[in-house]
Amino acid sequence: AQTVTQSQPEMSVQEAETVTLSCTYDTSESDYYLFWYKQPPSRQMILVIRQEAYKQQNATENRFSVNFQKAAKSFSLKISDSQLGDAAMYFCAYNGQNFVFGPGTRLSVLP
Amino acid sequence: DAGVTQSPTHLIKTRGQQVTLRCSPKSGHDTVSWYQQALGQGPQFIFQYYEEEERQRGNFPDRFSGHQFPNYSSELNVNALLLGDSALYLCASSLSLTATNEKLFFGSGTQLSVL
Repeated sequence: AQTVTQSQPEMSVQEAETVTLSCTYDTSESDYYLFWYKQPPSRQMILVIRQEAYKQQNATENRFSVNFQKAAKSFSLKISDSQLGDAAMYFCAYNGQNFVFGPGTRLSVLP
Repeated sequence: DAGVTQSPTHLIKTRGQQVTLRCSPKSGHDTVSWYQQALGQGPQFIFQYYEEEERQRGNFPDRFSGHQFPNYSSELNVNALLLGDSALYLCASSLSLTATNEKLFFGSGTQLSVL
């Protein structure tokens, strides 16, 4: 069975600074995708970024980028120029046969 | 374009009762999945519906059942409620049943409290 681990229950960052959230996963599948979802207090999960496992190039979406290390099964999220609106729970997720989510990291952004 | 809608937003039940949660997928989506998110945890996959049939199921007891209607909307039913069933129940829709690149679009959830 696939598992997703996020070892940082909570993180904080100063506004305008950069923060990296960690994620590791375990799978024996060869074809899969990895995702980062954001869950603000409104509770609705919002897709932040998506990475194809067969692509070496790391995905980027504006201020959000990932560091995907397939051999190490690591998938970290970097948020640059952090904004107050980035404060939320962040979930790493794996999709092979079905979606598996990590336990989440609560990100606080300090003014 | 309406996104994923869930009803009700909040629900309070007592142990042993039964509950039905409802979900309408994003326009154009035909696959609906349900997740249970306990306080302080990530969402846990309950089951997935496509073409009105349950296609995949997570590690949840038979007290959890569902249904998908011809218009792709879906219901989640939980019988014989336990205190441990208290959680946020999220519905997610997608375009494809099996594509691993498929994004999930989530509703805002139903917060179920069992007393």
